[in-house]
Amino acid sequence: EAGVAQSPRYKIIEKRQSVAFWCNPISGHATLYWYQQILGQGPKLLIQFQNNGVVDDSQLPKDRFSAERLKGVDSTLKIQPAKLEDSAVYLCASSLRGADNEQFFGPGTRLTVL
Amino acid sequence: AQRVTQPEKLLSVFKGAPVELKCNYSYSGSPELFWYVQYSRQRLQLLLRHISRESIKGFTADLNKGETSFHLKKPFAQEEDSAMYYCAFSGSRLTFGEGTQLTVNP
Repeated sequence: EAGVAQSPRYKIIEKRQSVAFWCNPISGHATLYWYQQILGQGPKLLIQFQNNGVVDDSQLPKDRFSAERLKGVDSTLKIQPAKLEDSAVYLCASSLRGADNEQFFGPGTRLTVL
Repeated sequence: AQRVTQPEKLLSVFKGAPVELKCNYSYSGSPELFWYVQYSRQRLQLLLRHISRESIKGFTADLNKGETSFHLKKPFAQEEDSAMYYCAFSGSRLTFGEGTQLTVNP
């Protein structure tokens, strides 16, 4: 079974630039998550989708972050404009159903904002 | 507010010694609790969850609702157990602790 795919794996940008990350979940998984993991901390949920609807985006900084999951499969996370404090690993995960199910994680995208 | 506390950022033991990774949570409801693990150069993955009451790779974790704890234990640590361990619980969302880096020395 193919795992969760993410691209790019690494990205370096300057502050105020824009960046987008892509995620392809495990086939058949209804729920998709984006997490932000700052160095030395645990992953923090940014947004959770159930199919193509948003379930929880309470911790998403909506003035600069946006995410979509068209057709209930792939998802993109965008930051515009980026700030220095956005430097982190962005993890995508998926699960068959909700957050009390086992989540399968992608390899992450390491973002460095200079 | 949902919160998970892992008091030890680093834990070092010798091979064959017992190991316990501590986890405390604060939540008013009845959460589902997990331990996730990330081995070097690998993805974050589920190690075990309290509802299944399984022993995975020799690890067990018991939920103590009175102490709001879910400590991870293994009686005899192995070098391949060296990894970053995250305690997490699912209330309204999956909330992770800051993690404990376990090193098992030969």
